[in-house]
Amino acid sequence: GQQLNQSPQSMFIQEGEDVSMNCTSSSIFNTWLWYKQDPGEGPVLLIALYKAGELTSNGRLTAQFGITRKDSFLNISASIPSDVGIYFCAGQLFNAGGTSYGKLTFGQGTILTVHP
Amino acid sequence: EAQVTQNPRYLITVTGKKLTVTCSQNMNHEYMSWYRQDPGLGLRQIYYSMNVEVTDKGDVPEGYKVSRKEKRNFPLILESPSPNQTSLYFCASSFYPASEQFFGPGTRLTVL
Repeated sequence: GQQLNQSPQSMFIQEGEDVSMNCTSSSIFNTWLWYKQDPGEGPVLLIALYKAGELTSNGRLTAQFGITRKDSFLNISASIPSDVGIYFCAGQLFNAGGTSYGKLTFGQGTILTVHP
Repeated sequence: EAQVTQNPRYLITVTGKKLTVTCSQNMNHEYMSWYRQDPGLGLRQIYYSMNVEVTDKGDVPEGYKVSRKEKRNFPLILESPSPNQTSLYFCASSFYPASEQFFGPGTRLTVL
């Protein structure tokens, strides 16, 4: 099936540092979503992007929908210990009509560790 | 409280013994979906449902069945489980596919 390449796979940073992660695909997406999964929990939506070029912030988080529709990035500024978790990008394919409309593809995840 | 519930949370079973994982949501969502999570592979979609009686395959449907007889429930059925279906399973729901999905707490399945 369609794959999203998410990088980096893991990050070890010091509290206060900024973080950047991204997702790329060979296919065009019409929606990009960023989720965070805390240990032992299900993922929770952080940011949703619906337009190419869109730049959206949610507190210390900023995400952008790439202009080519094939990529997206998520930045976290001034990281804190509670930022620890797995971050996933997810996308819905462009022109995914008919029965493919409901398909969502997730990236492999970025495991973030923050040292106090 | 708005939520997605899954049962059981943990299950250890043996190869070939049919099992069902239930999923229920109380948010009147039309879209529901099942995922499996494996290390290094992220979340992979198994099946999804756009509405009652409307289901379709995700990226990894082999060995699974689903049904959507009521809006709130979306059970995942493994007719003959095999060890390669050992995984962490999540059910999720939302109003439409690209809107915010609410995930259940997960079901950790081990098939011996």
